[in-house]
Amino acid sequence: EVQLVESGGGLVQPGRSLRLSCAVSGFTFDDYAMHWVRQVPGKGLEWVSGISWNSGYIGYGDSVKGRFTISRDNTKKSLFLQMNSLRPEDTAFYYCVKDALSVGDASPFENWGQGTLVTVSS
Amino acid sequence: SYVLTQPPSVSVAPGETATVTCGGNNIGSESVHWYQQKPGQAPALVIYYDNDRPSGIPERFSGTNSGNTATLTISRVEAGDEADYYCQVWDSSSAHPYVFGTGTKVTVL
Repeated sequence: EVQLVESGGGLVQPGRSLRLSCAVSGFTFDDYAMHWVRQVPGKGLEWVSGISWNSGYIGYGDSVKGRFTISRDNTKKSLFLQMNSLRPEDTAFYYCVKDALSVGDASPFENWGQGTLVTVSS
Repeated sequence: SYVLTQPPSVSVAPGETATVTCGGNNIGSESVHWYQQKPGQAPALVIYYDNDRPSGIPERFSGTNSGNTATLTISRVEAGDEADYYCQVWDSSSAHPYVFGTGTKVTVL
């Protein structure tokens, strides 16, 4: 069974940093691209960032580019999101998502974690 | 950037058919995926590549995609189908390529 477990969320002040982690199990991690997708409570879904199986492709949404950094450690079966210069508008649930393919272009988001809540507030 | 427009809400009686549309410029030339999100839960894939179903998704869920509209159809609607539904495409021309629709709340009367 595929499992994606996010951690690292919480309350943080504007301008500070936070690092999210996603531990995976139930599949061969380094065979798949991975993503972070966020959702403001009560609102829609927004793609934040994605990374291919070997980190050869990395992409970011416009709203986080230059502030967030995605990375992965295939030996530890883990995905990360380093979030710097956080803003109140970054407040959201952050989901760790497994792609259906290794590169992740037109392929679907096959499996989702339960999400971790990040609240940016003073 | 690419915009996907969905109706905010759709209401349907049990046993009837729910239709959720996803409008986008020439969306018929893209691959469309659909996600279901029940209250308090993470999204889950229900349709991929326009009309394929992941294992475990009932045949009652189907999709079409042509022209400027993709459609998710839920036949013989059940109370458990009540959820938010999002379409999604990959816009190869954008640096921000993964686009979600605005979402549709399906209410079972």
